Amino acid sequence: AQSVTQLGSHVSVSEGALVLLRCNYSSSVPPYLFWYVQYPNQGLQLLLKYTSAATLVKGINGFEAEFKKSETSFHLTKPSAHMSDAAEYFCAVRSTGGGNKLTFGTGTQLKVEL
Amino acid sequence: KAGVTQTPRYLIKTRGQQVTLSCSPISGHRSVSWYQQTPGQGLQFLFEYFSETQRNKGNFPGRFSGRQFSNSRSEMNVSTLELGDSALYLCASSLGPTTDPTEAFFGQGTRLTVV
Repeated sequence: AQSVTQLGSHVSVSEGALVLLRCNYSSSVPPYLFWYVQYPNQGLQLLLKYTSAATLVKGINGFEAEFKKSETSFHLTKPSAHMSDAAEYFCAVRSTGGGNKLTFGTGTQLKVEL
Repeated sequence: KAGVTQTPRYLIKTRGQQVTLSCSPISGHRSVSWYQQTPGQGLQFLFEYFSETQRNKGNFPGRFSGRQFSNSRSEMNVSTLELGDSALYLCASSLGPTTDPTEAFFGQGTRLTVV
């Protein structure tokens, strides 16, 4: 079964600093990978997705992620954190065999400090 | 274009009761998935519907059920509510289950509290 592991349930950065949120996947076939963000009492918003077209994926709000097959990783980065980036971030993998079932990681709470 | 609409946003029910949650997908989207989010278990897949047929089902007891109507709107039902069913229930809408991963757009969720 496909799965994703997010390292670090809480990450704290200073405003203007680099954001790095880690995600490793487990899949026997090329996966479809996603990053979502969730603000308090809200649903999930898609930041970006990897569909094998390009290994470096650019998303919304200045976020990007790089697919590294050799490391089975899909880490999320942003060069300069903003206070509005404080939220919970989820990495997800879509199951093979059709369908839209997403398997999510446990989430990383990002805190941005002044 | 309107987003995914979930109703109601908040719900308080008593143990043993049943509840029905509703989800209206984005216009033109035919696939609807449901997820349960709790602090302890995180985000867990419940089921997926496409063209009124259940395509996938997660590992939940039979008390959890769903259906999809011809206009793609979906409902999920939980019978004989337990305290542990308290959660945020999220609905996701997408074009359909093709081989290319279509994006899943989430609603704001229904916060269910069982007392």
